Amino acid sequence: EIVLTQSPGTLSLTPGERATLSCRASQTLGGNYLAWYQQKSGQAPRLLIYRASTRASGIPDRFSGSGSGTDFTLTISGLEPEDFAVYFCQQSVNSPFTFGGGTKVEIK
Amino acid sequence: QVQLQQWGAGLLKPSETLSLTCGVVGESFGSYYWSWIRQSPGKGLEWIGEINHSGSTSSNPSLKSRVTISVDTSKSQFSLKLTSVTAADTAVYFCARDRAAAGDFDYWGQGALVTVSS
Repeated sequence: EIVLTQSPGTLSLTPGERATLSCRASQTLGGNYLAWYQQKSGQAPRLLIYRASTRASGIPDRFSGSGSGTDFTLTISGLEPEDFAVYFCQQSVNSPFTFGGGTKVEIK
Repeated sequence: QVQLQQWGAGLLKPSETLSLTCGVVGESFGSYYWSWIRQSPGKGLEWIGEINHSGSTSSNPSLKSRVTISVDTSKSQFSLKLTSVTAADTAVYFCARDRAAAGDFDYWGQGALVTVSS
C-alpha cells in the first residue's frame, strides 16, 4: 500500500501567517489523486482539496494545493482563527486508500 | 444538502461483531460509492471499505477477512459488520461519500465511537 508521510508534525504560527504543509507519497500518484482534509476536535474531516489542486465546494481561496508525482503541498495563505486544526492528506490512486499521519497547525 | 447519519452499538466485548449503519438523506444514493473509515490514536485514519448501490464492494486487505459491507437502496442506507473485534478495533468510525468515484470523501457522518473492552 502507498504510505503518505506528512511534515512537519506540528506547525506553530500566528494568525495572518502563511502555512505550508507537506505530504510525500511512497510511490508516484498517477493522475494526482491526492486530497487534503481539515479536522477539528470532535468533528469529521472536511474535504478541502482534491486531485492535488482543486478546491472543494465552499472552500475559501486562501487554501491551495500543489504538487505532483510524490510531493504535494497544502498552502494556507493568511491563517484565520478557524484554520487552526489538524490537516490530513489522502491518496486514492491505489486501493487501499490511505491517509497521512496529519499536521497540526497550532496557534503560536 | 447531503446528510449522513450513522448509528450502532458503541461498546463491545472482544470476539463480538461490530455493526454500524449509515443513512443518507438529500442526495441520489445510487449515484455514488459509500465508504467506511475509522480513526484511532494508534493507527490514525484508516479506510475500511466501500460499496455502491448495486452492492459492488472493495475493502482494505488488512481487514478484508472480517469486514462485510452491505447496502439497502430502498432505505438509502449502507452497513458495516466487523467480526471478531479486539481492543485494536477501538476507534471512531465514520461513514462517508466518495465524491465522484475518485476515492476522496466530500460528505461524512458524525462519527461513532466504538470501544472494545472486556
